[in-house]
Amino acid sequence: GAGVSQTPSNKVTEKGKYVELRCDPISGHTALYWYRQSLGQGPEFLIYFQGTGAADDSGLPNDRFFAVRPEGSVSTLKIQRTERGDSAVYLCASSLNGGAGSTDTQYFGPGTRLTVL
Amino acid sequence: GNSVTQMEGPVTLSEEAFLTINCTYTATGYPSLFWYVQYPGEGLQLLLKATKADDKGSNKGFEATYRKETTSFHLEKGSVQVSDSAVYFCALTPPGGGADGLTFGKGTHLIIQP
Repeated sequence: GAGVSQTPSNKVTEKGKYVELRCDPISGHTALYWYRQSLGQGPEFLIYFQGTGAADDSGLPNDRFFAVRPEGSVSTLKIQRTERGDSAVYLCASSLNGGAGSTDTQYFGPGTRLTVL
Repeated sequence: GNSVTQMEGPVTLSEEAFLTINCTYTATGYPSLFWYVQYPGEGLQLLLKATKADDKGSNKGFEATYRKETTSFHLEKGSVQVSDSAVYFCALTPPGGGADGLTFGKGTHLIIQP
Protein backbone atom coordinates (compact mmCIF):
# COMPACT_ATOMS: atom_id res chain seq x y z
CA GLY A 1 0.00 0.00 0.00
CA ALA A 2 0.95 3.63 -0.19
CA GLY A 3 3.31 5.04 2.38
CA VAL A 4 3.35 8.44 3.99
CA SER A 5 3.38 11.21 1.41
CA GLN A 6 4.31 14.86 1.84
CA THR A 7 3.81 17.84 -0.39
CA PRO A 8 5.47 19.86 -1.65
CA SER A 9 8.83 18.11 -1.77
CA ASN A 10 10.57 21.47 -1.91
CA LYS A 11 9.40 24.90 -0.88
CA VAL A 12 11.34 28.13 -1.27
CA THR A 13 9.89 31.23 0.36
CA GLU A 14 10.94 34.67 1.48
CA LYS A 15 11.44 35.77 5.04
CA GLY A 16 8.19 36.88 6.60
CA LYS A 17 5.92 34.79 4.37
CA TYR A 18 3.42 32.15 5.43
CA VAL A 19 3.81 28.49 4.38
CA GLU A 20 1.76 25.31 4.65
CA LEU A 21 3.21 21.83 4.47
CA ARG A 22 0.95 18.83 3.93
CA CYS A 23 1.18 15.25 5.16
CA ASP A 24 -0.90 12.26 4.03
CA PRO A 25 -0.41 9.41 6.51
CA ILE A 26 -0.82 5.72 5.86
CA SER A 27 -4.52 4.89 5.67
CA GLY A 28 -5.86 3.70 9.02
CA HIS A 29 -3.03 5.13 11.10
CA THR A 30 -4.44 7.12 14.00
CA ALA A 31 -1.15 8.61 15.17
CA LEU A 32 0.66 11.32 13.20
CA TYR A 33 3.92 13.09 14.05
CA TRP A 34 5.80 16.08 12.69
CA TYR A 35 9.57 16.44 13.01
CA ARG A 36 12.11 18.99 11.83
CA GLN A 37 15.57 17.99 10.64
CA SER A 38 18.28 20.61 10.27
CA LEU A 39 21.43 19.94 8.27
CA GLY A 40 23.72 17.47 10.02
CA GLN A 41 21.26 16.83 12.83
CA GLY A 42 18.78 14.14 13.72
CA PRO A 43 15.06 14.84 13.44
CA GLU A 44 13.54 16.87 16.29
CA PHE A 45 10.01 16.18 17.45
CA LEU A 46 7.49 18.98 16.90
CA ILE A 47 3.95 17.70 17.47
CA TYR A 48 1.93 14.50 17.79
CA PHE A 49 -1.71 13.94 16.85
CA GLN A 50 -3.92 11.14 18.08
CA GLY A 51 -6.89 11.26 15.77
CA THR A 52 -7.95 14.87 15.30
CA GLY A 53 -6.43 16.26 18.47
CA ALA A 54 -2.90 17.43 19.18
CA ALA A 55 -1.97 15.15 22.05
CA ASP A 56 1.50 16.63 22.48
CA ASP A 57 2.73 19.89 20.97
CA SER A 58 5.66 20.34 23.33
CA GLY A 59 8.17 20.39 20.49
CA LEU A 60 6.77 23.36 18.61
CA PRO A 61 9.49 26.04 18.88
CA ASN A 62 7.18 29.06 19.19
CA ASP A 63 3.71 30.34 18.37
CA ARG A 64 4.56 30.91 14.71
CA PHE A 65 4.20 27.15 14.24
CA PHE A 66 0.79 25.51 14.20
CA ALA A 67 -0.55 22.20 12.91
CA VAL A 68 -4.00 20.79 12.29
CA ARG A 69 -5.55 17.46 11.45
CA PRO A 70 -9.27 18.27 11.15
CA GLU A 71 -10.55 14.89 9.97
CA GLY A 72 -8.03 12.62 11.63
CA SER A 73 -6.16 11.87 8.42
CA VAL A 74 -4.32 14.57 6.44
CA SER A 75 -2.35 17.06 8.50
CA THR A 76 -1.06 20.53 7.65
CA LEU A 77 1.88 22.20 9.37
CA LYS A 78 1.59 25.97 9.18
CA ILE A 79 4.42 28.43 9.72
CA GLN A 80 3.72 32.15 9.99
CA ARG A 81 6.23 34.96 9.44
CA THR A 82 8.93 32.55 8.35
CA GLU A 83 12.51 33.19 9.41
CA ARG A 84 15.77 32.00 7.85
CA GLY A 85 16.28 29.75 10.85
CA ASP A 86 13.15 27.82 9.90
CA SER A 87 15.00 26.37 6.89
CA ALA A 88 15.10 22.61 7.36
CA VAL A 89 13.56 19.37 6.17
CA TYR A 90 10.15 18.83 7.75
CA LEU A 91 9.30 15.17 8.21
CA CYS A 92 5.95 13.58 8.86
CA ALA A 93 5.46 10.09 10.30
CA SER A 94 2.46 7.96 11.12
CA SER A 95 1.88 4.88 13.22
CA LEU A 96 -1.04 2.56 13.75
CA ASN A 97 -1.93 3.58 17.30
CA GLY A 98 0.71 5.70 19.00
CA GLY A 99 0.14 6.98 22.50
CA ALA A 100 2.28 7.34 25.60
CA GLY A 101 4.93 4.67 25.73
CA SER A 102 3.87 3.22 22.38
CA THR A 103 6.42 1.09 20.56
CA ASP A 104 4.44 1.09 17.30
CA THR A 105 6.71 1.62 14.32
CA GLN A 106 6.64 5.15 12.98
CA TYR A 107 6.67 5.25 9.17
CA PHE A 108 8.26 8.37 7.75
CA GLY A 109 7.48 10.34 4.64
CA PRO A 110 10.17 11.71 2.29
CA GLY A 111 10.00 15.16 3.84
CA THR A 112 9.53 18.72 2.62
CA ARG A 113 12.70 20.75 2.23
CA LEU A 114 11.88 24.33 3.27
CA THR A 115 14.25 27.12 2.33
CA VAL A 116 13.61 30.61 3.68
CA LEU A 117 15.55 33.28 1.80
CA GLY B 1 15.37 15.61 29.51
CA ASN B 2 15.83 12.68 27.19
CA SER B 3 18.84 12.55 24.88
CA VAL B 4 20.71 10.21 22.56
CA THR B 5 24.42 10.37 21.80
CA GLN B 6 25.95 8.46 18.93
CA MET B 7 29.40 8.33 17.46
CA GLU B 8 30.40 11.02 15.03
CA GLY B 9 30.80 10.17 11.39
CA PRO B 10 31.59 9.63 8.72
CA VAL B 11 32.62 6.06 9.38
CA THR B 12 34.44 4.52 6.42
CA LEU B 13 34.94 0.77 6.18
CA SER B 14 35.87 -1.78 3.56
CA GLU B 15 33.38 -4.35 2.40
CA GLU B 16 33.12 -7.38 4.72
CA ALA B 17 34.51 -5.44 7.70
CA PHE B 18 32.91 -5.63 11.14
CA LEU B 19 30.75 -2.65 12.07
CA THR B 20 30.00 -1.05 15.41
CA ILE B 21 28.16 2.25 15.77
CA ASN B 22 27.98 3.33 19.39
CA CYS B 23 24.81 4.77 20.91
CA THR B 24 24.17 5.80 24.51
CA TYR B 25 21.09 7.44 25.95
CA THR B 26 19.82 9.48 28.87
CA ALA B 27 16.20 8.99 29.86
CA THR B 28 13.95 8.62 32.87
CA GLY B 29 12.93 5.03 33.45
CA TYR B 30 13.25 2.44 30.72
CA PRO B 31 12.71 3.82 27.24
CA SER B 32 12.19 1.86 24.05
CA LEU B 33 15.18 2.04 21.72
CA PHE B 34 15.36 2.15 17.95
CA TRP B 35 17.78 2.29 15.05
CA TYR B 36 16.54 4.06 11.93
CA VAL B 37 18.38 4.13 8.60
CA GLN B 38 18.26 6.63 5.76
CA TYR B 39 19.58 5.34 2.45
CA PRO B 40 20.67 7.91 -0.17
CA GLY B 41 17.64 9.60 -1.68
CA GLU B 42 15.17 7.75 0.55
CA GLY B 43 13.19 8.47 3.70
CA LEU B 44 13.89 7.28 7.22
CA GLN B 45 12.98 3.67 7.84
CA LEU B 46 13.05 1.52 10.95
CA LEU B 47 15.96 -0.91 11.02
CA LEU B 48 15.40 -2.58 14.40
CA LYS B 49 14.09 -1.94 17.89
CA ALA B 50 14.16 -3.23 21.47
CA THR B 51 11.54 -2.40 24.05
CA LYS B 52 13.02 -3.70 27.31
CA ALA B 53 16.34 -4.36 28.96
CA ASP B 54 18.42 -7.21 27.52
CA ASP B 55 16.24 -7.42 24.41
CA LYS B 56 18.12 -7.84 21.16
CA GLY B 57 16.76 -6.28 17.99
CA SER B 58 17.92 -7.68 14.66
CA ASN B 59 17.26 -7.15 10.97
CA LYS B 60 19.20 -7.48 7.70
CA GLY B 61 22.24 -8.83 9.57
CA PHE B 62 22.31 -5.89 11.98
CA GLU B 63 21.91 -6.39 15.74
CA ALA B 64 21.68 -4.20 18.81
CA THR B 65 21.22 -5.19 22.45
CA TYR B 66 19.46 -2.98 25.01
CA ARG B 67 21.93 -2.63 27.92
CA LYS B 68 20.40 -0.74 30.81
CA GLU B 69 23.51 -1.02 33.00
CA THR B 70 25.51 0.97 30.45
CA THR B 71 22.48 2.83 28.96
CA SER B 72 23.64 1.73 25.52
CA PHE B 73 22.20 0.31 22.30
CA HIS B 74 25.20 -0.18 20.02
CA LEU B 75 24.57 -1.26 16.43
CA GLU B 76 26.67 -4.12 15.04
CA LYS B 77 27.02 -6.09 11.83
CA GLY B 78 29.51 -8.84 11.20
CA SER B 79 30.19 -8.22 7.52
CA VAL B 80 29.11 -4.98 5.86
CA GLN B 81 28.25 -4.53 2.21
CA VAL B 82 28.45 -1.52 -0.09
CA SER B 83 24.64 -1.41 0.01
CA ASP B 84 24.78 -0.66 3.77
CA SER B 85 26.13 2.80 3.01
CA ALA B 86 23.62 5.16 4.62
CA VAL B 87 23.01 7.43 7.60
CA TYR B 88 22.07 5.58 10.79
CA PHE B 89 20.09 7.20 13.61
CA CYS B 90 19.70 5.90 17.13
CA ALA B 91 16.45 6.97 18.82
CA LEU B 92 14.28 6.45 21.88
CA THR B 93 10.75 6.90 23.11
CA PRO B 94 10.24 7.33 26.84
CA PRO B 95 8.03 4.99 28.85
CA GLY B 96 4.35 5.84 29.31
CA GLY B 97 3.67 9.34 30.55
CA GLY B 98 6.45 11.05 28.69
CA ALA B 99 6.46 12.95 25.41
CA ASP B 100 5.23 10.88 22.55
CA GLY B 101 7.73 11.59 19.82
CA LEU B 102 11.04 9.93 19.08
CA THR B 103 14.22 11.54 20.39
CA PHE B 104 17.00 11.04 17.83
CA GLY B 105 20.77 11.18 17.89
CA LYS B 106 22.57 13.28 15.30
CA GLY B 107 23.13 10.37 12.96
CA THR B 108 26.22 8.50 11.78
CA HIS B 109 27.11 8.50 8.11
CA LEU B 110 28.45 5.08 7.12
CA ILE B 111 30.46 4.68 3.92
CA ILE B 112 31.37 1.18 2.73
CA GLN B 113 34.06 0.96 0.07
CA PRO B 114 34.32 -2.04 -2.28
